[in-house]
Amino acid sequence: GAVVSQHPSWVICKSGTSVKIECRSLDFQATTMFWYRQFPKQSLMLMATSNEGSKATYEQGVEKDKFLINHASLTLSTLTVTSAHPEDSSFYICSARDTGGAGETQYFGPGTRLLVL
Amino acid sequence: GDSVTQMEGPVTLSEEAFLTINCTYTATGYPSLFWYVQYPGEGLQLLLKATKADDKGSNKGFEATYRKETTSFHLEKGSVQVSDSAVYFCALSTGGGNKLTFGTGTQLKVEL
Repeated sequence: GAVVSQHPSWVICKSGTSVKIECRSLDFQATTMFWYRQFPKQSLMLMATSNEGSKATYEQGVEKDKFLINHASLTLSTLTVTSAHPEDSSFYICSARDTGGAGETQYFGPGTRLLVL
Repeated sequence: GDSVTQMEGPVTLSEEAFLTINCTYTATGYPSLFWYVQYPGEGLQLLLKATKADDKGSNKGFEATYRKETTSFHLEKGSVQVSDSAVYFCALSTGGGNKLTFGTGTQLKVEL
């Protein structure tokens, strides 16, 4: 089946530093990847849609200069949380849509837990 | 805009009990509907889906039927196991699957 990996699985950083999270589709190509944020006991909130070779599309209220997204290849998208602050602590999840598949199904990564001290 | 409403949890059941988790939606157009499951410490996994009215999605003993007339996609399982303990998310997508809208999730706890 389609597998999506994320790295790192968890990260602790100091306030003011930047953190990069990678999302990879391991056995399929993904023109489109998505980044979500999940707060404890809440649903996933879509942050942005990442398109290979073009700029990401951000959801309303998401600061694009703070959450930098790069989708440099058909198997890799990165999310960089710049100048992280404690309120950025959260569970970040990516998903990927199989370009060559039936179309609509998104495959999710295991998530990255970020703690900003 | 699109939205998904799920019953609040947690839902606590004894093993072999019947499970129903309600899900209703509002959407423009004709959405595809999904159930995702999140086991403790893991990412979301697609459990089942349905793409048009009256379709029934099924997997691992779970099933859900796309009911356009009631805008619902309730999840059911005839006999739950302890290993089914997880958080279940109902979701929809429109416009070719470019955006998923999730419900708030329902935690299921199955006890011996």
